Amino acid sequence: AQSVTQPDIHITVSEGASLELRCNYSYGATPYLFWYVQSPGQGLQLLLKYFSGDTLVQGIKGFEAEFKRSQSSFNLRKPSVHWSDAAEYFCAVGARGGADGLTFGKGTHLIIQP
Amino acid sequence: GAGVSQTPSNKVTEKGKYVELRCDPISGHTALYWYRQSLGQGPEFLIYFQGTGAADDSGLPNDRFFAVRPEGSVSTLKIQRTERGDSAVYLCASSPQGMNTEAFFGQGTRLTVV
Repeated sequence: AQSVTQPDIHITVSEGASLELRCNYSYGATPYLFWYVQSPGQGLQLLLKYFSGDTLVQGIKGFEAEFKRSQSSFNLRKPSVHWSDAAEYFCAVGARGGADGLTFGKGTHLIIQP
Repeated sequence: GAGVSQTPSNKVTEKGKYVELRCDPISGHTALYWYRQSLGQGPEFLIYFQGTGAADDSGLPNDRFFAVRPEGSVSTLKIQRTERGDSAVYLCASSPQGMNTEAFFGQGTRLTVV
């Protein structure tokens, strides 16, 4: 069965600083990988996804993520965070070849310091 | 509407009662998913519909949970004999094809069983 680990429950970053949120997955083959963001009172929004090809994926709001097969990781990065980036971030994995539901990590709560 | 709509936004019910949660997906989206998100956790897959049929209901925790999508659009998640442990936010997502393309989430229904 697939699983996702987000080792950091909370991360605090100063506004304007760079950000990296960690995600490790367990899956028997190369999975589909996703990052979602959840702001208070808002639904989950897709930031970016990896299916195949270039392992560095660009997303919305200036986010990017890099798939590293050797490390089973899909870390999310942003060069300079804004106060509006404060939210809960979820990494998720999906099985190839199917339209089944995703398996989500427990999330990382991002706090932005002024 | 423009997005996935879930009603009610909040539901408080007494232990042992029956509840129905409604999801209106984006028009034309054939895939519909239900997830459950407990406090401090990521969304947990419950059931997936492709059209009118449940393609995968392996995430339903027990036979008190049931979902329908009779006309391939609106879906209702039904919970019988509610228990305090059912308290969570129930999320609905829809997609043109499946989760491995972009899926759009509703804002969820917060269910509290007292």
